Amino acid sequence: DVKVTQSSRYLVKRTGEKVFLECVQDMDHENMFWYRQDPGLGLRLIYFSYDVKMKEKGDIPEGYSVSREKKERFSLILESASTNQTSMYLCASMSNQPQHFGDGTRLSIL
Amino acid sequence: DQQVKQNSPSLSVQEGRISILNCDYTNSMFDYFLWYKKYPAEGPTFLISISSIKDKNEDGRFTVFLNKSAKHLSLHIVPSQPGDSAVYFCAARYSGNTPLVFGKGTRLSVIA
Repeated sequence: DVKVTQSSRYLVKRTGEKVFLECVQDMDHENMFWYRQDPGLGLRLIYFSYDVKMKEKGDIPEGYSVSREKKERFSLILESASTNQTSMYLCASMSNQPQHFGDGTRLSIL
Repeated sequence: DQQVKQNSPSLSVQEGRISILNCDYTNSMFDYFLWYKKYPAEGPTFLISISSIKDKNEDGRFTVFLNKSAKHLSLHIVPSQPGDSAVYFCAARYSGNTPLVFGKGTRLSVIA
């Protein structure tokens, strides 16, 4: 079974802090993705990566960056957290379809 | 503009009856469609998929139908069970390993 692990289930941070969300997959997948899920808006793609050190912007990259130094790990970085980044963040990975998701990080920015 | 639309935010069905969840798309370049199920505080889990060269795919209680001319797909769950209560997301992709485009989801409640 594919395992996608997100380091924190719940996280509370303050406005202006730099926030790191970590995601690790154990299936040697090339492709990894970061989404956020908000009520009434579904899943929106923030960034994705097809390989180590490669990154592509998704639909809503503003205020975020990513890092992929190793194939199994894809980090999402909030450079200066703001209250409108309070959300559920979901990481996914795949080789071929379907994407496999982690359990999510519920992030609150106060 | 939304490329994948789930126009019903919620749906309630009696246990044992059929649940039909609908999804419309606008881009005829999509070649692969998927349904995901999501419980609260968990990540989405893959349920069933269909290629654009097919019009039906079945897996146990779950069947997905694709009508390419209408750009419409639907997920049928028969019989519905209380454990099916969740948010269901429709997703589509262009050819290759491009990212999925998701709909906004439909919350299904199966009432015992």
